[in-house]
Parts: sequence; structure tokens; C-alpha cells
Amino acid sequence: DVKVTQSSRYLVKRTGEKVFLECVQDMDHENMFWYRQDPGLGLRLIYFSYDVKMKEKGDIPEGYSVSREKKERFSLILESASTNQTSMYLCASSLGTQKNIQYFGAGTRLSVL
Amino acid sequence: KQEVTQIPAALSVPEGENLVLNCSFTDSAIYNLQWFRQDPGKGLTSLLLIQSSQREQTSGRLNASLDKSSGRSTLYIAASQPGDSATYLCAVRADSNYQLIWGAGTKLIIKP
Repeated sequence: DVKVTQSSRYLVKRTGEKVFLECVQDMDHENMFWYRQDPGLGLRLIYFSYDVKMKEKGDIPEGYSVSREKKERFSLILESASTNQTSMYLCASSLGTQKNIQYFGAGTRLSVL
Repeated sequence: KQEVTQIPAALSVPEGENLVLNCSFTDSAIYNLQWFRQDPGKGLTSLLLIQSSQREQTSGRLNASLDKSSGRSTLYIAASQPGDSATYLCAVRADSNYQLIWGAGTKLIIKP
């Protein structure tokens, strides 16, 4: 079974803190994705990566950065957390093939106070 | 720009009924369409993937159809059960990249 693991299920941070969300997959997938999910808005892509050290901006990259130093790990960084970044964050991975089924982690619910 | 819409946002039906969830998209140039399930507070699980050349896919009590020309997909659930209660999301992949464009989901409640 594909396993995508997000390091925290729940996280509470203060405004201005630097926040790291970690995601690890064990299936040697080339592609990894970070989304945020807000009520009524569906999933919005923040960043994705199709290879080690490669990254592409998604629809809402502002206020976020990412790091992919190893194939299995994709980190989302909030340089200075703000209250409007309170959300559910979902990580996904997929093979770099045509079929491209994305497998998701359980999510991290981040609250910024 | 591709937009994906799911109507209704919520649906409540008695156990045992057959039901249909709808997904529409504005640009017919898609590579594939996926249906996902999300349980409260959890991540997403892929249910069915339909390639653009296919008309439908089936898995157990689930059947997904795709009509590219009209920009519509449906997810049919037969003999619904309380365990089917979840939010169902559809997502389309554009021709040229790995990104998915998501609908906002339909929250389904199956009443015992």
C-alpha cells in the first residue's frame, strides 16, 4: 500500500512563527504536492514538485515556500505564519506516469493564533 | 481557465437508495477525471479514475461516467449504506501537466 505520512495531525502556532509541515512518501513517487483545503473552496494547490530539488508554484504560493532535498520528503514552509493561513493542509504524491493517481496523507490542521 | 463544479454541496438520502453525484467542468480538453472520497478530518482516497478516452469505470457499487463533450461526470452509488457517508470530490487533470483542478465536493449523508 502507498503510504503518505504527514508529521502532525494538529498544529497550533502563533502569528509570525516559522512553521514547517513535513510529508514523507514510501513509494518512490516522482511527484509530490501540497494543497490547502478550506470550507466551500475545495482543494487549492500551493506548490508541487516533479523531482528532487524541483518545484513549481501552484495557484496560491504566496506566503509559502517548499523544499525537496530527497525524493521521499516534501516540506512546506510558512516563513511568517499569519491567521489567514489557518487551514487544513494536505500532502499528496503520484508516479510520474500518465495515470497519475494522487495518494494523500491524513492532513495537518493548522491553527494560527 | 478550467473550473470544476459539484452540485449539490450536500445531499442526505435514506439507506438503500441509489444516488448520483454530479461534477461539471468548463473545458473539455481534459486528460482524465478522478473521484475521491474524504472522511471527516482525514485525507482523500481515490475511488475511480476515468481516462479521457473512456466513458465509464466501475468499482463495486460505484460507477463513474464521463461525457467530455458536455463537460460532465457522474458518480453513481448503488444500494447506499451509512458507511458511504463522506464528502465526495471530483478533480480533472488538464492535458499537459500533473496538476488537478478540484471541485468543492458534495457532502453525502446516508441515513440509517
